[in-house]
Amino acid sequence: SQQGEEDPQALSIQEGENATMNCSYKTSINNLQWYRQNSGRGLVHLILIRSNEREKHSGRLRVTLDTSKKSSSLLITASRAADTASYFCATDAKGSSYKLIFGSGTRLLVRP
Amino acid sequence: EAGVAQSPRYKIIEKRQSVAFWCNPISGHATLYWYQQILGQGPKLLIQFQNNGVVDDSQLPKDRFSAERLKGVDSTLKIQPAKLEDSAVYLCASSSIGGAETQYFGPGTRLLVL
Repeated sequence: SQQGEEDPQALSIQEGENATMNCSYKTSINNLQWYRQNSGRGLVHLILIRSNEREKHSGRLRVTLDTSKKSSSLLITASRAADTASYFCATDAKGSSYKLIFGSGTRLLVRP
Repeated sequence: EAGVAQSPRYKIIEKRQSVAFWCNPISGHATLYWYQQILGQGPKLLIQFQNNGVVDDSQLPKDRFSAERLKGVDSTLKIQPAKLEDSAVYLCASSSIGGAETQYFGPGTRLLVL
């Protein structure tokens, strides 16, 4: 079953613009993670935010978490063509033995 | 540090045939995961090992799928017999002992069942 659902399903922006993706989930979590997947490749971990954190930064990435709304957002600033990929949120539900449940992903296209 | 290795990268088989995938996790990682990713969807966990013991296999179709992790290192996932709906990318991931806070993924095996 899907725990996280990303919105939008697809996003097309111009290089240099910011990209925002949202994730909603259903149950209480230990942490929420964002992964990137380039076409035909495995997933790469981007950032992890714990349930007691509200915001986290890593380079051009900014993640927020609102546990009251069970939602998270990923902001990529000053996007580059190389950021073109699918982005997935994954939740580590409480009591799950570190089992990650992935959403369906947002496909981001950054046009040069 | 070497990443998660998987083989083969691609496999084409006919329905009702069998197929096996291999995964070698990052050295020292106690936890190993197999995921199935159908085109256009997120990865779905099939089975999770902690060392050589199964932690979660609730979404593994046990009538046709099997997995083992002998000696707590590398792992194989087998499908027998394959169905058309098994066409997907099979991803292996590992994480260090102490939890799955960050999972490291291999490149995946793309399976096409005809």
